Amino acid sequence: GAGVSQSPRYKVAKRGQDVALRCDPISGHVSLFWYQQALGQGPEFLTYFQNEAQLDKSGLPSDRFFAERPEGSVSTLKIQRTQQEDSAVYLCASSPRRFGTDTQYFGPGTRLTVL
Amino acid sequence: QQQVKQSPQSLIVQKGGISIINCAYENTAFDYFPWYQQFPGKGPALLIAIRPDVSEKKEGRFTISFNKSAKQFSLHIMDSQPGDSATYFCAASSYGKLTFGQGTILTVHP
Repeated sequence: GAGVSQSPRYKVAKRGQDVALRCDPISGHVSLFWYQQALGQGPEFLTYFQNEAQLDKSGLPSDRFFAERPEGSVSTLKIQRTQQEDSAVYLCASSPRRFGTDTQYFGPGTRLTVL
Repeated sequence: QQQVKQSPQSLIVQKGGISIINCAYENTAFDYFPWYQQFPGKGPALLIAIRPDVSEKKEGRFTISFNKSAKQFSLHIMDSQPGDSATYFCAASSYGKLTFGQGTILTVHP
């Protein structure tokens, strides 16, 4: 079956632009996570959804970052007024159980470059 | 605040050798410890995972050793192959939220 998909795969933005990154999780997966991976580093947690509810957004670096999952499936991570330090790979992961207490399946990521 | 420390940063082994990567954690609330493998341009993929109630888990050529009292765990790759060349991340989970180590770049020479 299809895995987690993300689009676009690559995004180049000028500083100050808004961007929207999409995640299509595995069908039926309850949990959805967003992570940010800087070059040469491990992924860092951004936010967690259980169905449509955003239960943890403690990792969002600033109020310029906003995520939603309105119907409990597709999720969008929006970054307003992008800055150079936002350049990273944004990874989405889904899991069949609540709180992802099982395997998290990662998408290929969206590489964001802010010029 | 770095809650999971991973070493070494890079590792070179010969084909057929044993690759060993170590991790240490601080937060005793962690209850699930997965290892992920990542190839360039791809997302991390689960390799093997362990829960703190067992001290060792083996799947094929991959073994996790877990020491709860020392708050340390390690990945052993037996009979390492060139196809194992990738970046490996340990992670620790609390309520599903993964905290990753810094990663180890493994190179297996033929």
